[in-house]
Amino acid sequence: SQQGEEDPQALSIQEGENATMNCSYKTSINNLQWYRQNSGRGLVHLILIRSNEREKHSGRLRVTLDTSKKSSSLLITASRAADTASYFCATGLQGAQKLVFGQGTRLTINP
Amino acid sequence: AAGVIQSPRHLIKEKRETATLKCYPIPRHDTVYWYQQGPGQDPQFLISFYEKMQSDKGSIPDRFSAQQFSDYHSELNMSSLELGDSALYFCASSLPRGGGAAGELFFGEGSRLTVL
Repeated sequence: SQQGEEDPQALSIQEGENATMNCSYKTSINNLQWYRQNSGRGLVHLILIRSNEREKHSGRLRVTLDTSKKSSSLLITASRAADTASYFCATGLQGAQKLVFGQGTRLTINP
Repeated sequence: AAGVIQSPRHLIKEKRETATLKCYPIPRHDTVYWYQQGPGQDPQFLISFYEKMQSDKGSIPDRFSAQQFSDYHSELNMSSLELGDSALYFCASSLPRGGGAAGELFFGEGSRLTVL
């Protein structure tokens, strides 16, 4: 990957459980974003956290950012079968008109 | 609400042929981005345009070129196609941010290119 790694590469859990995905990156960032992608479809923005923020919530999503460790985590609580998708983190770099994506985590929620 | 429109959704080409992909951003979005995603891979940034000018460039092969037109739609031109160019090509657009880093991107559904 251009920017970093996501961990785990694949995650399979039961419906109702919580899912945690981690992302590491290599350079200084302006913001970090999480996107969701259903197979063969376009990416959908989930949440953006700025470099001066440590935690952000949106519905069942909780994102943390640790700039000292250059890492972020995405927590999905009370998972549903419809959450099955690939999840990518992406970093926004100051002065750059682009996002750099990580390798993604393939999440499977079993009914 | 209007989304990013990409065309064609699917195309099949032979090696050494050319292909053109089109992207129509969300109205009032002034920045367009192109990404390439191979099977099981993360999206790789190719190029972006802000107000019709190239604003950033990534791992775009010299065989590829792109531009943004006065109506803000963008086209990605690919020549001398190779088998390895088979991928999903995504276009995304974003709201004006007055410089700084990229914010939330709105993606189209992609154009699937197969090179035989």
